[in-house]
Amino acid sequence: AQTVTQSQPEMSVQEAETVTLSCTYDTSENNYYLFWYKQPPSRQMILVIRQEAYKQQNATENRFSVNFQKAAKSFSLKISDSQLGDTAMYFCALQGGSEKLVFGKGTKLTVNP
Amino acid sequence: EAEVAQSPRYKITEKSQAVAFWCDPISGHATLYWYRQILGQGPELLVQFQDESVVDDSQLPKDRFSAERLKGVDSTLKIQPAELGDSAMYLCASSLGTGRVYEQYFGPGTRLTVT
Repeated sequence: AQTVTQSQPEMSVQEAETVTLSCTYDTSENNYYLFWYKQPPSRQMILVIRQEAYKQQNATENRFSVNFQKAAKSFSLKISDSQLGDTAMYFCALQGGSEKLVFGKGTKLTVNP
Repeated sequence: EAEVAQSPRYKITEKSQAVAFWCDPISGHATLYWYRQILGQGPELLVQFQDESVVDDSQLPKDRFSAERLKGVDSTLKIQPAELGDSAMYLCASSLGTGRVYEQYFGPGTRLTVT
């Protein structure tokens, strides 16, 4: 079975600072994708960034970057220069050979002015 | 920008009643997903369609839940009878195809409260 664990139910950060959200996962597969999704209050969930397991280089999307440690099965999200609009629930997700997306329980991030 | 549409956005129903949710995916998206998101948890897949065919409904409680996508476009998820434990957000998502390379686009969801 595939599992995703997010150990930080809530986090807060000051505007313009950097914050890192943690995620660990478990899978017996060698070829899988990892994702971070953002779910703002009362708005739809959107994809923030994704990482293919066979790629060693960490993915980056503007202010968002990941630290992918395959051996440790760790996939953390770093948000630089945090903005008020980054306030949301963040979900880590795994998609393996079954093609089913498995989500963690989420981390509620609040960016304070 | 095209979006996944869902209605209603909110639904309150009494237990034992029937309830239905509607989803209109992004035009051209062959794959449609229904997820259930219980408060404080991540979404869990209920059913996946490829065009009009069910690909995965292993987590769908088939004694009370049903889903259809008759013409391979929009979809309806029904619960009959609703139970208190069905209170949750029901999310619809769509993608161009099935597989990890295809991004899933989510709708705003329907928040169901069963009283």
